[in-house]
Amino acid sequence: GAVVSQHPSWVICKSGTSVKIECRSLDFQATTMFWYRQFPKQSLMLMATSNEGSKATYEQGVEKDKFLINHASLTLSTLTVTSAHPEDSSFYICSARGPGGIEQFFGPGTRLTVL
Amino acid sequence: GENVEQHPSTLSVQEGDSAVIKCTYSDSASNYFPWYKQELGKRPQLIIDIRSNVGEKKDQRIAVTLNKTAKHFSLHITETQPEDSAVYFCAATGSGNTPLVFGKGTRLSVIA
Repeated sequence: GAVVSQHPSWVICKSGTSVKIECRSLDFQATTMFWYRQFPKQSLMLMATSNEGSKATYEQGVEKDKFLINHASLTLSTLTVTSAHPEDSSFYICSARGPGGIEQFFGPGTRLTVL
Repeated sequence: GENVEQHPSTLSVQEGDSAVIKCTYSDSASNYFPWYKQELGKRPQLIIDIRSNVGEKKDQRIAVTLNKTAKHFSLHITETQPEDSAVYFCAATGSGNTPLVFGKGTRLSVIA
């Protein structure tokens, strides 16, 4: 149980394009989802917290107009990187938490490369 | 907000020796402390966790200790094997919507 999927697993795009990453909880209802970014040889840095049906809460320094997060259902959250630039190249990982739970279940991550 | 410090950043041990990684946290409201192993390009894999009502937890070669008063928690790996080589992260969180906050990671190398 507690499986989280992410799609795509990797994406290469040109500078200026937008990329959408999907995060799904496959066997539980995720009341809260979290998006992290991990640069090479660094830790996971929280970008935003999203609750189903409400606006995401972004961490300081994360541009909400650039990283659009939608949590439209209890099993799906999406992260859209708008007008991507090479400095946005990173490993993006989502995680989900069920109702009343404290453990976070991680997706497999998406490797974004912006040329 | 929560701040998690992790030491050391790199650790090399001989196969069969023990490895210890230490973390401190700042928010006294945190009550859940997981440890993750991450291999290159993969998601973090939960290896053990501890909650604030427990001082120690063990699972085979892996143990975690928690000192709530000092806001310290540590990962202990005994009889290390080459396949234990990876990056290990500690993390802390409280209840509700508070997210996991990660330490900076420890790169463990087990030398055969």
